[in-house]
Amino acid sequence: AQRVTQPEKLLSVFKGAPVELKCNYSYSGSPELFWYVQYSRQRLQLLLRHISRESIKGFTADLNKGETSFHLKKPFAQEEDSAMYYCALSGQGAQKLVFGQGTRLTINP
Amino acid sequence: DTGVSQDPRHKITKRGQNVTFRCDPISEHNRLYWYRQTLGQGPEFLTYFQNEAQLEKSRLLSDRFSAERPKGSFSTLEIQRTEQGDSAMYLCASSPSTYSYEQYFGPGTRLTVT
Repeated sequence: AQRVTQPEKLLSVFKGAPVELKCNYSYSGSPELFWYVQYSRQRLQLLLRHISRESIKGFTADLNKGETSFHLKKPFAQEEDSAMYYCALSGQGAQKLVFGQGTRLTINP
Repeated sequence: DTGVSQDPRHKITKRGQNVTFRCDPISEHNRLYWYRQTLGQGPEFLTYFQNEAQLEKSRLLSDRFSAERPKGSFSTLEIQRTEQGDSAMYLCASSPSTYSYEQYFGPGTRLTVT
């Protein structure tokens, strides 16, 4: 079964502090992992995917197959990072996305 | 705006009524997806199309739900005999090709069943 777990519904940190949003997955195969973000009053959009190994808006995420995790990290949080973050996985073949419950990140000034 | 569009943005209906939502994907995107999102949850997959072919349906898609994409462009999602449990945000997404993993989401249609 495909499953994505985001253990924290809410996360609050101060501006300039490091941020880590946790994501664990369950999938019998080699999944594609993603982080999607939804800013206030905007639509859901892709932040990054593990295969691209990019840093987007200062965020990075490393796929750890041993721990089946794909945590999202940023060394210095900014106020504009406040948003809803969803971890998602897709099986081979670019098909449906399976989303976690989401983590609402709030960056305090 | 050349992104995915959905219509209507909000729909209030009485229990037992039928509703239909429309999604216009980004031009020439082959794949189109429908998701449902309830409060406090992430989006849940309902169904997807490759051009006009419906390739997968979730168990969430009961026989009261039907989706079409007749010409491989826009899609409609119809819910018959709505129930209060159908109240949710219905999201549409499209992606450019079979091998593209990125999905581009629309703003959603919020359905309230009273």
